[in-house]
Amino acid sequence: DVKVTQSSRYLVKRTGEKVFLECVQDMDHENMFWYRQDPGLGLRLIYFSYDVKMKEKGDIPEGYSVSREKKERFSLILESASTNQTSMYLCASSLWGVGLSRNTEAFFGQGTRLTVV
Amino acid sequence: DQQVKQNSPSLSVQEGRISILNCDYTNSMFDYFLWYKKYPAEGPTFLISISSIKDKNEDGRFTVFLNKSAKHLSLHIVPSQPGDSAVYFCAARQGQGAQKLVFGQGTRLTINP
Repeated sequence: DVKVTQSSRYLVKRTGEKVFLECVQDMDHENMFWYRQDPGLGLRLIYFSYDVKMKEKGDIPEGYSVSREKKERFSLILESASTNQTSMYLCASSLWGVGLSRNTEAFFGQGTRLTVV
Repeated sequence: DQQVKQNSPSLSVQEGRISILNCDYTNSMFDYFLWYKKYPAEGPTFLISISSIKDKNEDGRFTVFLNKSAKHLSLHIVPSQPGDSAVYFCAARQGQGAQKLVFGQGTRLTINP
C-alpha cells in the first residue's frame, strides 16, 4: 500500500521560531510537493522537487524553503514562523510522468495542522 | 489569478440522488484533470481522472465529464451515499515530468439521509 507520512499531525509554534515539517514517501516517486490548504483558497503549491537536491518554487514560496537530500524525504522549512503561516500543510508525491497514458496522480500525506502563536 | 475554479463552496444532496460538482479552468495547456476527496483532518485521496483527449471517464458511481471548448469539467456521483460527504477538489495537471497540480478552492458536499 502506498504511503506518504508526515512527521506531525499537529504543531504549535511561536512567532519567529524556525519550523521543520518532514515528509517521507515509500513509493520511490521522483516528484514531491508541499501544499498548504486554507479555507476558500483550496490547495496552493509552495515548493516542489523532481529529483534529489532539485527544487522549484511554487505559487507561494515566500517565507518557506525546502530540502531534499534523499529521494524519499522532502522537508519544508519555515525560516521565521509568522501567524499568517498558520495553516494545514500537505505533502504529496508522484511519479515522473511522460505522456498522457502514464497515470501520475499525486498521493498525499495526512497533513500537518500548524498553529503559529 | 485562479486558473482552476470551483464556484460552489457547498452543495447539499439527498441520499440516493445524483450529486454534480463543477469545475472551470482557464489554462488551455492543462492536459490531465483529477478529482480528489478530502475528509476533515486527513489528506486528500484520489478519486478519478480524465485526460484532455477524452470527454468522459467512468468508475463505478463516479463519472467525470470534460468539455474542452467550454473549459469545464464536472463530477457526477450516482447514487449519492452518506459516506460521500466530504470536500471535493478539482485539480489540473500542467506539463509533463514534474507535473504540478493546480487545485480549485473545493466544494463541500453534504449528503442528507
